[in-house]
Amino acid sequence: NAGVTQTPKFQVLKTGQSMTLQCAQDMNHEYMSWYRQDPGMGLRLIHYSVGAGITDQGEVPNGYNVSRSTTEDFPLRLLSAAPSQTSVYFCASSPGVETEAFFGQGTRLTVV
Amino acid sequence: GQQVMQIPQYQHVQEGEDFTTYCNSSTTLSNIQWYKQRPGGHPVFLIQLVKSGEVKKQKRLTFQFGEAKKNSSLHITATQTTDVGTYFCAFQGGSNYKLTFGKGTLLTVNP
Repeated sequence: NAGVTQTPKFQVLKTGQSMTLQCAQDMNHEYMSWYRQDPGMGLRLIHYSVGAGITDQGEVPNGYNVSRSTTEDFPLRLLSAAPSQTSVYFCASSPGVETEAFFGQGTRLTVV
Repeated sequence: GQQVMQIPQYQHVQEGEDFTTYCNSSTTLSNIQWYKQRPGGHPVFLIQLVKSGEVKKQKRLTFQFGEAKKNSSLHITATQTTDVGTYFCAFQGGSNYKLTFGKGTLLTVNP
């Protein structure tokens, strides 16, 4: 049972480059989210989705795009990476409101 | 928007001592969840509380939700080195799915 799978695990980007962080879940969960984790800041919500075709902004959406074309996948796109986007990124999914969130292993991104 | 304040930010204890972390909100919460993140790992769900005054136990862990549903606590009795990690509280705003996390409490345990 794979759960939530994030790729890649590590990535180094140069300022201005673009990339997509992949997130896939095999639990048929409707709800998916992206968080970034920085020291002392906890987990901050970037974007979330309540179903295929539906996305919304979280607390820190600037510089990131998302789409949800299928229930399984929720990629996070950085269009023009900046050093301020150096962080650990977590994808999470859950079956519904007021249910537990299942997290992926995380992607450690460094922008130089 | 709605936020929760977690205290303390850090706690260092000797193995065998008790530990408590608190999660406080200025507004009423519909639910509170607790997660644990081991160093280098990802957050793992521990429990959810939804009822006023609710108390739940998991072995040495005791979770409480305040009567006014504005605060919550996690208490660990007789800490062990396996308890090391960051403990987060999180909440959702009613029917809104958005899951918002506190900043967490980092627990270190001296063996």
